Amino acid sequence: LAKTTQPISMDSYEGQEVNITCSHNNIATNDYITWYQQFPSQGPRFIIQGYKTKVTNEVASLFIPADRKSSTLSLPRVSLSDTAVYYCLVGGTGGFKTIFGAGTRLFVKA
Amino acid sequence: KAGVTQTPRYLIKTRGQQVTLSCSPISGHRSVSWYQQTPGQGLQFLFEYFSETQRNKGNFPGRFSGRQFSNSRSEMNVSTLELGDSALYLCASSSDARGPQHFGDGTRLSIL
Repeated sequence: LAKTTQPISMDSYEGQEVNITCSHNNIATNDYITWYQQFPSQGPRFIIQGYKTKVTNEVASLFIPADRKSSTLSLPRVSLSDTAVYYCLVGGTGGFKTIFGAGTRLFVKA
Repeated sequence: KAGVTQTPRYLIKTRGQQVTLSCSPISGHRSVSWYQQTPGQGLQFLFEYFSETQRNKGNFPGRFSGRQFSNSRSEMNVSTLELGDSALYLCASSSDARGPQHFGDGTRLSIL
């Protein structure tokens, strides 16, 4: 099971782009990379999932280099409501044991 | 499409009691996983069910058990409750082994 390492916390201002990088050096060939957002007293919310290169949806982009040993979640033009904990998850989608890291606490300031 | 529903949202029990938590997955999802979240330990995997069979299990004592019904709904049971069992218990469902998990908002269990 691949272990992930993320920054413990990050600060940003409204309107800025935020990039959160996750390291997963022992990612397996068939592992996917998934990012979640969690607000207090709520369950994690799925943001984006990818396997390689770049994935984009309506809320974020996910950049994965060729060696797949890291990934970067990019949040364009953050707002106060993006203040939350962001988790990077490798391999543990439905059907496999799942290990959540400590997550990154993003604080967006006005 | 309705999301993952967990009941009850809040529960208060005393030491030694047992508790059953319920989870209704997203329609069509056959995989249901349970997690415990505490400030000190973060999110920890409890177990995963697929088509009524437990497919994976985390490192929790036997007091924690679960089951899944033919309609994919799942229940989790904790017996002989301890103060340390106070946590947010989260349920997540997914459509298959590679699909992302979708979480409910959890059951907040407090042990007095």
